[in-house]
Amino acid sequence: KQEVTQIPAALSVPEGENLVLNCSFTDSAIYNLQWFRQDPGKGLTSLLLIQSSQREQTSGRLNASLDKSSGRSTLYIAASQPGDSATYLCAVRVFGNEKLTFGTGTRLTIIP
Amino acid sequence: GAVVSQHPSWVICKSGTSVKIECRSLDFQATTMFWYRQFPKQSLMLMATSNEGSKATYEQGVEKDKFLINHASLTLSTLTVTSAHPEDSSFYICSASGREQGWETQYFGPGTRLLVL
Repeated sequence: KQEVTQIPAALSVPEGENLVLNCSFTDSAIYNLQWFRQDPGKGLTSLLLIQSSQREQTSGRLNASLDKSSGRSTLYIAASQPGDSATYLCAVRVFGNEKLTFGTGTRLTIIP
Repeated sequence: GAVVSQHPSWVICKSGTSVKIECRSLDFQATTMFWYRQFPKQSLMLMATSNEGSKATYEQGVEKDKFLINHASLTLSTLTVTSAHPEDSSFYICSASGREQGWETQYFGPGTRLLVL
């Protein structure tokens, strides 16, 4: 059974700093891995999707990497802004199964 | 990108009543849709996988008679919470399976917040 863990559970950093969020998974036969942000009381916003054949994806100040052999993905946020404050979730899909398994989430607070 | 809508966005009901939540893929056809629930400060938990024209597949621990799922068309799936109780209060999110650049991807709806009094 796929297990997805995100560390840390909560993170506070001053505005302007670069930061890294971590996601680890137990089954490396992944089809894709997706990073989402969720604002309080709201739905999910897809940030980046990495297919199994890719090692990283970039969108603006965000960069997500994937290392299947070690069962890890990181989300790098450059030059953090208060608007980046949200909960960040990673979700993994394995080959042969349409289901997504979500991580436990990291609650990020950017301090102005 | 593909858009998935949910209706209603929030609902308050009395204990014992049934509530129906709709999930629609607006600009693509989805043979498979998924229903998740999320309790406060927790992650999303898959409840069931819904396939057009067939019975839904429920995750372990999810009562199929309590949470009725109907995937009547390639663009609509409904979740009915029957005889709702306060413990059913939660945030319900659906997703629909589509293709992006040849790869299957799930597109998520905005969620429905249910409060049972």
